Amino acid sequence: DIQMTQSPSSLSASVGDRVTITCRASQSIDYFLNWYQQKPGRAPKLLIYAASSLQSGVPSRFSGSGSGTHFSLTINSLQPEDFATYFCQQSYTSPVSSFGQGTNLEIK
Amino acid sequence: QVQLVQSGVEVKKPGASVKVACKTSGYTFTRYGLNWVRQAPGQGLEWMGYIRPYNGDTDYEQKFQGRLTMTTDTSTSTVYMELRGLTSDDTAIYFCARDMTYPVKGAFDIWGQGTMVTVSS
Repeated sequence: DIQMTQSPSSLSASVGDRVTITCRASQSIDYFLNWYQQKPGRAPKLLIYAASSLQSGVPSRFSGSGSGTHFSLTINSLQPEDFATYFCQQSYTSPVSSFGQGTNLEIK
Repeated sequence: QVQLVQSGVEVKKPGASVKVACKTSGYTFTRYGLNWVRQAPGQGLEWMGYIRPYNGDTDYEQKFQGRLTMTTDTSTSTVYMELRGLTSDDTAIYFCARDMTYPVKGAFDIWGQGTMVTVSS
């Protein structure tokens, strides 16, 4: 099984900040890495697929990078609606899949 | 628009079974695979399994083998997830999620609203 590890587990930031969340895979997954945002009481929302492709309708302040085992999600100029939990997911072994443990982004 | 609408809250006794429905609309049902993902209270996301609606083939996470069944009803464009032998560890929100399929497989682009399943004696 491929294990996904996110860091940090939680993060405090202010509106307007630039933040980066990282995700590491236990083995190479090429570019098969996706990022989701989840707000309390809501279903997750796809932000980035295939490591760096922005899902339709997602603001351009979100970006993804990486390949192999190291990936990152960057949010430029944080907006109040961006405070949420973020999950990475590997789809290299699709349809079998696995998620990172999540990163809780809080307002400082 | 594309939607996945799930059935309502369930409360079950230990040892019982639960069957959750996910009704799809707004797209061709047989063209996209469907996944089930669960989230225990305050915890992360756990992938459970996948079904191909065009032929009913399934792939399940190994830990659920033997007590998880996913089925489809093409006449109503609905996918079902049945979990048997429930324990308190199965208390969670259960989500169905569509595989975007193109341009890549494995990313979940549309999600149901979630179904809370509580297992308690």
